[in-house]
Amino acid sequence: KAGVTQTPRYLIKTRGQQVTLSCSPISGHRSVSWYQQTPGQGLQFLFEYFSETQRNKGNFPGRFSGRQFSNSRSEMNVSTLELGDSALYLCASMGMDRGHTEAFFGQGTRLTVV
Amino acid sequence: SQQGEEDPQALSIQEGENATMNCSYKTSINNLQWYRQNSGRGLVHLILIRSNEREKHSGRLRVTLDTSKKSSSLLITASRAADTASYFCATDYGGNEKLTFGTGTRLTIIP
Repeated sequence: KAGVTQTPRYLIKTRGQQVTLSCSPISGHRSVSWYQQTPGQGLQFLFEYFSETQRNKGNFPGRFSGRQFSNSRSEMNVSTLELGDSALYLCASMGMDRGHTEAFFGQGTRLTVV
Repeated sequence: SQQGEEDPQALSIQEGENATMNCSYKTSINNLQWYRQNSGRGLVHLILIRSNEREKHSGRLRVTLDTSKKSSSLLITASRAADTASYFCATDYGGNEKLTFGTGTRLTIIP
């Protein structure tokens, strides 16, 4: 079956702009998580959505938000971009039930803020 | 903040040798997993070990877990050039799909 698809793969934005990233999980998976990866901070958890509800949230400012649609596709939005938001943003989908914590990752969106 | 540390941060070995990397974490966990990442791409799940397990094997991979020391190790036997990647451990707390990742080990296999 198809894997996790993230779009776009690469993005360049200017400080102060906003950006929306998209993630399509594996068919049948209802949990979608987002992670930010930077050389300095490593892999940091942003948030997790399950059946259109945010179930977990990491320690990121309110400029970072997300949502999930009824087909489980998810988007994350970053407003008022800062240089420090430059990172690889990874989306992961998990199985239908709690306890299935093996995550399937997309290839990521490389965001560069200039 | 990250759950724990991995060591070494970087490891270079000859092809055919075994590679061992370690992961330490801070709080009680439900599961511990290992992932591989090639050159800033997505992560690939390698193996999961539950908190009540001590050792697990999958092909050339062997994972151990010592919950008393809050540590785990990943052994890759008979390494290949294709094993060159970064390896991350990730923990979860049960009933919570949030994964907390370690700092990663950069493994380089020299042909």
